[in-house]
Amino acid sequence: EPEVTQTPSHQVTQMGQEVILRCVPISNHLYFYWYRQILGQKVEFLVSFYNNEISEKSEIFDDQFSVERPDGSNFTLKIRSTKLEDSAMYFCASSLRGFVSTGELFFGEGSRLTVL
Amino acid sequence: DAKTTQPNSMESNEEEPVHLPCNHSTISGTDYIHWYRQLPSQGPEYVIHGLTSNVNNRMASLAIAEDRKSSTLILHRATLRDAAVYYCTTSSINDYKLSFGAGTTVTVRA
Repeated sequence: EPEVTQTPSHQVTQMGQEVILRCVPISNHLYFYWYRQILGQKVEFLVSFYNNEISEKSEIFDDQFSVERPDGSNFTLKIRSTKLEDSAMYFCASSLRGFVSTGELFFGEGSRLTVL
Repeated sequence: DAKTTQPNSMESNEEEPVHLPCNHSTISGTDYIHWYRQLPSQGPEYVIHGLTSNVNNRMASLAIAEDRKSSTLILHRATLRDAAVYYCTTSSINDYKLSFGAGTTVTVRA
């Protein structure tokens, strides 16, 4: 069964460092998402992306965050200057269609980011 | 998105049905109801979604109240693998995102 894969599974970084989290969505999917989950808290939407543009973003997704689809397969989330409060599990998701009402989102297993 | 309310936790015995309620009293006529679950140390996983009619798939059934202000996710025979946090959420017809609340933590006893 096709799946969304994420790397790294765990990254430890120093505050102020740049981090790039990578995702390989399901191959024929066109819509991509990043969510995060701080330990013990709910899953929070960060951003959705289609056709090389951001479709929607949350208040969390400020200027420190950026997303990119640098080639035909990878979808990345960059945090420019990490803060302690960026420590969380980051989930990538993809879907075949854009409107979530039309089908399911497929999530990866997550990348745990620890900022020291 | 309509606000959803779910119980914090539920317990079930293995091989028994589980009925998970969700209130979404402010839902609008074109909002969809979605259920996802999150197994320990994994990302959310789609379970089922619907608009007005009851829906069945291989994982579960979704029973939607006639006034659509509530719905129930039914796991017909719980297994230990069904222990997870179950999220009920809604979306408008042209939403590009899903929002998740705290969900219901389901524990399955052997």
